[in-house]
Amino acid sequence: EAGVVQSPRYKIIEKKQPVAFWCNPISGHNTLYWYLQNLGQGPELLIRYENEEAVDDSQLPKDRFSAERLKGVDSTLKIQPAELGDSAVYLCASSSRGVGSYNEQFFGPGTRLTVL
Amino acid sequence: GNSVTQMEGPVTLSEEAFLTINCTYTATGYPSLFWYVQYPGEGLQLLLKATKADDKGSNKGFEATYRKETTSFHLEKGSVQVSDSAVYFCARENNAGNMLTFGGGTRLMVKP
Repeated sequence: EAGVVQSPRYKIIEKKQPVAFWCNPISGHNTLYWYLQNLGQGPELLIRYENEEAVDDSQLPKDRFSAERLKGVDSTLKIQPAELGDSAVYLCASSSRGVGSYNEQFFGPGTRLTVL
Repeated sequence: GNSVTQMEGPVTLSEEAFLTINCTYTATGYPSLFWYVQYPGEGLQLLLKATKADDKGSNKGFEATYRKETTSFHLEKGSVQVSDSAVYFCARENNAGNMLTFGGGTRLMVKP
């Protein structure tokens, strides 16, 4: 079974340019997460989707960040315009609704963004 | 709020040495606790978990015990291998069971 797929793996852009990241979750996983991981730190949740609905986006900087999950499968995270401080790794994860209080999150390899 | 604190790295050990990576969490509710591992160039993988006090999670020779009295979940391994070199993240679940809060990560380097 394929894992969580993200693309691109690396992206280098100049500040003020737009950028988009794509995530394909594990087939059948209804919950999708986008995390931000700064260098030397742990991941921080940006947004969580249950199917196509964004149920937790309190940490998403909405002035420049946007996300969508059309049809409840693939998701795109966009930054417009990018700033130097956005340089980080953007992780996507997915999980399925199951028995118990926790559903294991499976992570993609991430997209490493460098803003010059 | 929820937070997780883990020891800063890097931790450098020789092969077959004993490993401990400390982790403490804020004691709001009774969260499930996790250790994730991130190998170079790969995504985070769940290493082990514990869902209630005194539970011991274990996998691949790693162990961690949920200690409610000290709000700790320290990761241990009796004999590390070069292939264990990675970054290890401690995490706790929120009370709703739908969100993880991660520690800052600890890089482990094992030398032959």
